[in-house]
Amino acid sequence: NAGVTQTPKFRILKIGQSMTLQCTQDMNHNYMYWYRQDPGMGLKLIYYSVGAGITDKGEVPNGYNVSRSTTEDFPLRLELAAPSQTSVYFCASSYRGGAQNIQYFGAGTRLSVL
Amino acid sequence: AQTVTQSQPEMSVQEAETVTLSCTYDTSESNYYLFWYKQPPSRQMILVIRQEAYKQQNATENRFSVNFQKAAKSFSLKISDSQLGDTAMYFCAFMTNYGGSQGNLIFGKGTKLSVKP
Repeated sequence: NAGVTQTPKFRILKIGQSMTLQCTQDMNHNYMYWYRQDPGMGLKLIYYSVGAGITDKGEVPNGYNVSRSTTEDFPLRLELAAPSQTSVYFCASSYRGGAQNIQYFGAGTRLSVL
Repeated sequence: AQTVTQSQPEMSVQEAETVTLSCTYDTSESNYYLFWYKQPPSRQMILVIRQEAYKQQNATENRFSVNFQKAAKSFSLKISDSQLGDTAMYFCAFMTNYGGSQGNLIFGKGTKLSVKP
């Protein structure tokens, strides 16, 4: 049972480059989330999706874009990478929204922008 | 706005002993959940335990238990019979539980726990 799978695990970008962080889940969950974790900090929500075709901003959405064309996949796009986007990115999913539904996390993508 | 504070950046404990990690939070909501997540060196975030604010009984999961003090807005995690595999970052998190909530977890900064043999 794979759960939530993120690729790549590590990436180094130059300032101004773009990339897509991939996230896929095989649990048929409706809700998916993207968080970032800066050094010494907890996770902060970037974007979330309540189902295919529906996305919304979280706490720190600037500099990112998302799409949700299928239930399984929720890619995160970085345009014009900046050093401030150096972080560890986590994707998560849950069957539904709300606190009763456990969020399951992927193993994260460590991104450095130099 | 909700905030979560973990005042202990690092802690250590001897194997087989008991350790308590502290967490306080601030909210004006009355209906919410609190969580403890474990993040081992592998980086995978794993749910350890959760507590619904309306339940007075403290949650327990095997060696893990919480002390939930709603009036004091305190939510501490007790790990009994500590094992080397408990070495990890531990994050306290909060989520409101109203109908419009989309699942935004609010995290503290974490406590790094080291279990020593």
